[in-house]
Amino acid sequence: GAGVSQSPSNKVTEKGKDVELRCDPISGHTALYWYRQSLGQGLEFLIYFQGNSAPDKSGLPSDRFSAERTGGSVSTLTIQRTQQEDSAVYLCASKVAAATDTQYFGPGTRLTVL
Amino acid sequence: ELKVEQNPLFLSMQEGKNYTIYCNYSTTSDRLYWYRQDPGKSLESLFVLLSNGAVKQEGRLMASLDTKARLSTLHITAAVHDLSATYFCAVDRISGGTSYGKLTFGQGTILTVHP
Repeated sequence: GAGVSQSPSNKVTEKGKDVELRCDPISGHTALYWYRQSLGQGLEFLIYFQGNSAPDKSGLPSDRFSAERTGGSVSTLTIQRTQQEDSAVYLCASKVAAATDTQYFGPGTRLTVL
Repeated sequence: ELKVEQNPLFLSMQEGKNYTIYCNYSTTSDRLYWYRQDPGKSLESLFVLLSNGAVKQEGRLMASLDTKARLSTLHITAAVHDLSATYFCAVDRISGGTSYGKLTFGQGTILTVHP
C-alpha cells in the first residue's frame, strides 16, 4: 500500500517568506508526527496529532511555526517569516494509533531559506 | 529531559567484521526503536523493542534492550557493504504510563563498511 507522502520534496524560499509543507499519512493512521532534521540539531520532534487534535506542540521552535490537520488525514506545517535557521529536512510520520508500535516516515521536505 | 546518546558516532568497518552500536537513554522507557537512514533518504524502521530483555534479529543485525540499564545495542555480524548507512536509536517517552509516540532520537551512528 501507499506510504507516507510529503510535498514538496524540495522548497527554496527567501528569508521572510511563508511556506507550507504538506503531509499525507498512511490511510487509516490516526496519529501523525512532524520532526525536523538538521545538521546542528539532529532529529527533533515538533508536533503530534491524534486525529485532528494536537495534544503536544512542545517541539515547535517558535510562534512562527504552526500546524493543522483536517479530516483526520492531511496535515500542513506552516512556517511564517522564514529564517535561515529554519533550513532543514522536515519529516512527517504516521502510525495506526498513538499507543501502537512503529512510526512510518515520509520522504521529507528539504527546506532551504536563502 | 529525556536524553538519548549513541556511540560511536562514526564507525568504519571492514567487511566480515562484527561490531556493536550502543544507545543509552536517561529516563524510564519501555520502548526503543532502531531506524536506518540512507543518504538523502528517509528513515526506515528496523526494530521495535517493547520490553526488558527483548531481542530481535533481522539478517546481520540484532538489537537488544535492557531497560534496567537504560541501554540498547545494535549488533552487526559479518558486515557487508550494503549495511553502510546512518543508524538511529529513538526512545518513546512514557508519560503517566501512556505512550503516544513522541520519539527522542540519538545523534545517529554513521556506519561505513569497506571491502
